[in-house]
Amino acid sequence: DAKTTQPTSMDCAEGRAANLPCNHSTISGNEYVYWYRQIHSQGPQYIIHGLKNNETNEMASLIITEDRKSSTLILPHATLRDTAVYYCIVSYYGGATNKLIFGTGTLLAVQP
Amino acid sequence: DAGITQSPRHKVTETGTPVTLRCHQTENHRYMYWYRQDPGHGLRLIHYSYGVKDTDKGEVSDGYSVSRSKTEDFLLTLESATSSQTSVYFCAISEPSGRGITEAFFGQGTRLTVV
Repeated sequence: DAKTTQPTSMDCAEGRAANLPCNHSTISGNEYVYWYRQIHSQGPQYIIHGLKNNETNEMASLIITEDRKSSTLILPHATLRDTAVYYCIVSYYGGATNKLIFGTGTLLAVQP
Repeated sequence: DAGITQSPRHKVTETGTPVTLRCHQTENHRYMYWYRQDPGHGLRLIHYSYGVKDTDKGEVSDGYSVSRSKTEDFLLTLESATSSQTSVYFCAISEPSGRGITEAFFGQGTRLTVV
């Protein structure tokens, strides 16, 4: 599985957009990009995933560069409840290798 | 919320004793995973299963074994617990779709302390 690189921490003002970057320069053609977040000591929560097109759901948007070597998770209007560790994961889909390998993630602190 | 339950939620055990953690799901998902989480390390994959009796190692499998005799249960066993296995353990489930793995659902975690 390709490795990812994320900043250790970021701050964002409440109500503003939070843009969380992720580098995955060794991603292969059949690997997806996933984003999860973990609030305090709870189990991680799925946010969004994509292959090469930009994706949007009720929680966030995922922008993947054309060469697929990096991506950005966008929380359009961050709230205090969005303070969490955000994990960017690259994972191959297929057969028995369907696994999610987490890195250390980005701690997003939303400030009032 | 996805039907996934971990038991026990908290356990204190002595070094050298065997410990089994249970993950139970009611979603009939094919994939099940065990992770551990320690400060500064994020989540690390221990073992995972892609079907009944089909399991494979993750990143940190030494000292752990797993079994999956039926779809709904995935057991993690520490044959002889050590203090380095003190951690929070998370179970997760997922079901692949035509667009990659669908979202993985995580349990509430088991806090294990080995003294």
